[in-house]
Amino acid sequence: QKEVEQDPGPLSVPEGAIVSLNCTYSNSAFQYFMWYRQYSRKGPELLMYTYSSGNKEDGRFTAQVDKSSKYISLFIRDSQPSDSATYLCAMSAVAAGNKLTFGGGTRVLVKP
Amino acid sequence: EPEVTQTPSHQVTQMGQEVILRCVPISNHLYFYWYRQILGQKVEFLVSFYNNEISEKSEIFDDQFSVERPDGSNFTLKIRSTKLEDSAMYFCASGTSGGETQYFGPGTRLLVL
Repeated sequence: QKEVEQDPGPLSVPEGAIVSLNCTYSNSAFQYFMWYRQYSRKGPELLMYTYSSGNKEDGRFTAQVDKSSKYISLFIRDSQPSDSATYLCAMSAVAAGNKLTFGGGTRVLVKP
Repeated sequence: EPEVTQTPSHQVTQMGQEVILRCVPISNHLYFYWYRQILGQKVEFLVSFYNNEISEKSEIFDDQFSVERPDGSNFTLKIRSTKLEDSAMYFCASGTSGGETQYFGPGTRLLVL
């Protein structure tokens, strides 16, 4: 079983729709959960960061973590064509020196 | 807004040559990292660096790799004798206390011929 799994997509939605992304993981030691956005051939850009279980909202973005199910989600409301990118989940455990373990990324296409 | 910068943006080298990839982390950050991403694959951790020493390294980070913080602003990754399979995008990242939030640079695309 892969440590972090993420559906590669592509996920195609019309402008204004809600984008729903998720990752599952197997390592129960993970405590920090992040979502990054990556445009083609660019560096990952940090969008959201959550510690342990719970929800966090920032503008159009909502991140959810369910540690009991080892499942994390990112929701993007009122999606825009500029949201078209690859979204990477990443997670870390303090005991592992906070190195990030990434999912493979989900490609999202928001159509005007 | 402060950001991580990396140079060069692209590097082409011959197999067996040494390359040095350079990074300038965000100025008040204490934790520094290198990751790589082979085309079409996941971003992979290489090494973390804190308090002027390596805090953790992956299996990929063998004796051919080294990191250095030669002054108060730069952070470098050296590959002593490059292999074809070292061709990848190399990302530098820096983080605040605990390192749980990591900010990535734009990357250096390395091509080994």
